[in-house]
Amino acid sequence: QKEVEQDPGPLSVPEGAIVSLNCTYSNSAFQYFMWYRQYSRKGPELLMYTYSSGNKEDGRFTAQVDKSSKYISLFIRDSQPSDSATYLCAMGGLDDKIIFGKGTRLHILP
Amino acid sequence: DGGITQSPKYLFRKEGQNVTLSCEQNLNHDAMYWYRQDPGQGLRLIYYSQIVNDFQKGDIAEGYSVSREKKESFPLTVTSAQKNPTAFYLCASSIVQASSGANVLTFGAGSRLTVL
Repeated sequence: QKEVEQDPGPLSVPEGAIVSLNCTYSNSAFQYFMWYRQYSRKGPELLMYTYSSGNKEDGRFTAQVDKSSKYISLFIRDSQPSDSATYLCAMGGLDDKIIFGKGTRLHILP
Repeated sequence: DGGITQSPKYLFRKEGQNVTLSCEQNLNHDAMYWYRQDPGQGLRLIYYSQIVNDFQKGDIAEGYSVSREKKESFPLTVTSAQKNPTAFYLCASSIVQASSGANVLTFGAGSRLTVL
């Protein structure tokens, strides 16, 4: 079983819809969780990070962590065409080793 | 503005040649990393360095070499021993967040290497 599983997509949704992106993980030692956005031919940029179960909101983005189910989500409200990108989840623990998901390609249709 | 600068952005190399990718950061981060990204493969760790003059192999270090002579700089050399070097290379740096202990990475814009 891979440490981090992320559906590669592509995921296509109409503009204005709520987007849900998800990752599952197997290592209970992971303590903090990150979401990165990567546009084509660019480096990933950090959207959010969180280290506790529950929700964390930043503008149109909400990160959700359920440690008991080993499941994390990123929700995007009022999605825009500019949100079209690849979204990478990442997680780490006390050893500072970061494990990335393979990314989900998202298309927002105008 | 603080950030990570990678150069060159695009690089073409003939088979059998070594090439060095530059990575410079002015974030005062202690740790630096090199990742390789291929379609459908995600990010794979090549090398990382937590302090000056020290570095460790990642998951796919064969055919690559690095140095860390200065805190700000972490160049990557792709040698002729790397069998399939065509890829997108990403440099990152990190600092442990005092409030949470999270090791959050900041990435450069990447360097695309094509072997002809």
